[in-house]
Amino acid sequence: EDQVTQSPEALRLQEGESSSLNCSYTVSGLRGLFWYRQDPGKGPEFLFTLYSAGEEKEKERLKATLTKKESFLHITAPKPEDSATYLCAVQADQAGTALIFGKGTTLSVSS
Amino acid sequence: NAGVTQTPKFRVLKTGQSMTLLCAQDMNHEYMYWYRQDPGMGLRLIHYSVGEGTTAKGEVPDGYNVSRLKKQNFLLGLESAAPSQTSVYFCASRGRGGDYGYTFGSGTRLTVV
Repeated sequence: EDQVTQSPEALRLQEGESSSLNCSYTVSGLRGLFWYRQDPGKGPEFLFTLYSAGEEKEKERLKATLTKKESFLHITAPKPEDSATYLCAVQADQAGTALIFGKGTTLSVSS
Repeated sequence: NAGVTQTPKFRVLKTGQSMTLLCAQDMNHEYMYWYRQDPGMGLRLIHYSVGEGTTAKGEVPDGYNVSRLKKQNFLLGLESAAPSQTSVYFCASRGRGGDYGYTFGSGTRLTVV
């Protein structure tokens, strides 16, 4: 069964304190791994897509990396506005175009 | 602004009532999806469509029906609402090619009492 697990469930950081969020997955065949940001009361907002092991993508203070079993979302020198829930999702060979989501990591950054 | 629009944003239903949630996108996307989001459960796929006139079941389809009569619209229906259908419903769409990232609507918060 295709599965996505995110850890930790919640993470509290001080402004400027770098850290990483983990997304581990088991799928029959990975077509793509996606990261989204979700603010309270809003829909998820697309951040990155990664397709193959070794691939990396960056956007401002965020950097996503991918291995054959997991992905990391590295947050460098976070600011309070980075506080949100970060969702990981995979597109598997047998799932067509649909994404399978993890439960998310809720990040809180305090000043 | 281009994007995905969901209506209504909030709704309270009594058990047994029916309703339709509307999703409209103006990006000419082929694929559209309905997810529900519950605390501790994450986003779960209800139904999806790979093109006008087509629909398919997702992970949790029971109690819901969908229709895609026009490419830009994807309707989610609840024929007889149950308290277990209390949730936040998100519609998403994506086009062919590119990074395949979904564009999500802002959600419909549904409470069934």
